[in-house]
Amino acid sequence: QKEVEQNSGPLSVPEGAIASLNCTYSDRGSQSFFWYRQYSGKSPELIMFIYSNGDKEDGRFTAQLNKASQYVSLLIRDSQPSDSATYLCAFLGGSYIPTFGRGTSLIVHP
Amino acid sequence: GAGVSQSPSNKVTEKGKDVELRCDPISGHTALYWYRQRLGQGLEFLIYFQGNSAPDKSGLPSDRFSAERTGESVSTLTIQRTQQEDSAVYLCASSFGQASNYGYTFGSGTRLTVV
Repeated sequence: QKEVEQNSGPLSVPEGAIASLNCTYSDRGSQSFFWYRQYSGKSPELIMFIYSNGDKEDGRFTAQLNKASQYVSLLIRDSQPSDSATYLCAFLGGSYIPTFGRGTSLIVHP
Repeated sequence: GAGVSQSPSNKVTEKGKDVELRCDPISGHTALYWYRQRLGQGLEFLIYFQGNSAPDKSGLPSDRFSAERTGESVSTLTIQRTQQEDSAVYLCASSFGQASNYGYTFGSGTRLTVV
């Protein structure tokens, strides 16, 4: 069974700090990885996707993928209170059906 | 349309009644997914449509659940004889292509409450 593991949190960081969110997955055939942000009562919205080993940067967000160790992480630099949300990671293997983790709650306090 | 549209946004129904939820994907998106999210929980896959291929129904929790999609257009998720455990937010997502490297766009969801 394909699984995605995330620490449910909450992860609490002060404003301006780096928030580090981690995710491990079980399917070695996974090809693509996604990070979604979900505000309370809202639907998930795509932040980043990554499919190659290494880092991918987009503004304050950096996704890191390590296929050998089967983990993907999301770094949020200069965290803002508006970043407070639940972050879901997801992976896509050969089934074309993305599997989502349960999400990590992030709280950025002023 | 510009985004994935779901209706109704909220639905309160009595236990035992049937409900129908609608999803209108982004134009040109061939893949469509239904997920269920219970309060405080993750996304639970229900069903996947890709173009005119047979849908992947492996996530449907019981035979009370069914879904249809005609071609690459609107999809409806039907829940018959609703139970209280069906209460959840039902999310629809669409994507361009089968193995999308561009992510999935979610609708705003239908919040179903069974009383």
